[in-house]
Amino acid sequence: NAGVTQTPKFRILKIGQSMTLQCTQDMNHNYMYWYRQDPGMGLKLIYYSVGAGITDKGEVPNGYNVSRSTTEDFPLRLELAAPSQTSVYFCASRTFRLETQYFGPGTRLLVL
Amino acid sequence: AQSVAQPEDQVNVAEGNPLTVKCTYSVSGNPYLFWYVQYPNRGLQFLLKYISGDNLVKGSYGFEAEFNKSQTSFHLKKPSALVSDSALYFCAVGENAGNMLTFGGGTRLMVKP
Repeated sequence: NAGVTQTPKFRILKIGQSMTLQCTQDMNHNYMYWYRQDPGMGLKLIYYSVGAGITDKGEVPNGYNVSRSTTEDFPLRLELAAPSQTSVYFCASRTFRLETQYFGPGTRLLVL
Repeated sequence: AQSVAQPEDQVNVAEGNPLTVKCTYSVSGNPYLFWYVQYPNRGLQFLLKYISGDNLVKGSYGFEAEFNKSQTSFHLKKPSALVSDSALYFCAVGENAGNMLTFGGGTRLMVKP
């Protein structure tokens, strides 16, 4: 199993541009999560999904959108990128509510 | 609402000495607790978790943590630190009826030779 994979690894965006961060897991996990980690800070939950077709907002959802059309994929969409969205983005997944979350390697995003 | 606090931004310890990284939490229901480690430019790696049962939990790489309900704490410990343990450590808490984890701000562990 590849686990949780994320693409791209690094991206530079101009203010106002949009992009999609890709996240795929091959562990047949129901739950998937998107976090952002700002320098020197902990993780903040952006969006999560408990299964295909079901998504919900986390702590910091503004400026982002998600979809979950399949169990495997959970893309994060940034519309109208802003410098405040400069961060490292992590995707995670897990089987059930009490089980361990497994993290992807992260996507480093710089908005200039 | 659930929250977690890691009161120390950095912990310094000499190699071979015991280490403790502190974590306190707040949840309205029964907690479940995790410790993760992050090495530079990497994702988070799972170390150990507490769901229920024995208050002393053993995890990867010789780490352990003690759940203390009365003090609402879940401190991470290791009897003998290694230089390779130097990394960023995150405590996380969830409620067993909820879908989300809340992460602490992280503690940087520096182990000096």
